[in-house]
Amino acid sequence: EIVLTQSPATLSLSPGERATLSCRASQSVSSYLAWYQQKPGQAPRLLIYDASNRATGTPARFSGSGSGTDFTLTISSLAPEDFAVYYCQQRTSWPRTFGQGTKLEIK
Amino acid sequence: EVHLVESGGGLVQPGGSLRLSCAASGFTFTSYWMTWVRQAPGKGLEWVASIKEDGSEKYYLDSVKGRFTISRDNAKNSLDLQMNSLRAEDTAVYFCVKGGGSPSPWGQGALVTVSS
Repeated sequence: EIVLTQSPATLSLSPGERATLSCRASQSVSSYLAWYQQKPGQAPRLLIYDASNRATGTPARFSGSGSGTDFTLTISSLAPEDFAVYYCQQRTSWPRTFGQGTKLEIK
Repeated sequence: EVHLVESGGGLVQPGGSLRLSCAASGFTFTSYWMTWVRQAPGKGLEWVASIKEDGSEKYYLDSVKGRFTISRDNAKNSLDLQMNSLRAEDTAVYFCVKGGGSPSPWGQGALVTVSS
């Protein structure tokens, strides 16, 4: 099973600042990594798939990068609605696995 | 627009059974893998099971193998999860999700509580 480790667990920033979230895989997942956003009481929403492709409706301030075992989700300038929990997920092998999440909170 | 609506959640005693269903609409159901993902209260996301378009391939989380069965009825555009021998640690919101790779979108979820 591929283990995904996200860091930091919590990130405290202010609106307008740049956010950098990390996801590290226990073995290579090539570029088959996705990022999801989840707000309280809501279902997760796909933001980025295959490491760097924005899903339909994802604002341009969100970007993904990386390959192999190290991946980054960057939010260039935080909007108030971006404060949420973010999960990475791999689709290289079964079982599919998620990272434990990074909570992005308002400073 | 894609709609995924889960039903069948509820309270069940340890060792009991429950069947979740997901009604899908707004897309060609027979063209997509389908997936169940769960989230325990206050915890992260955990992939549970996926099924191929024609039902010929199924994959499960190790901890649910032999207890849970994923199935689909392509004539009715529906996805099911039969859950047997339920344990307290199966308590979670169960989401029905379109796709098997980077699945999206997600239903709103059905709460399953396993408790005596």
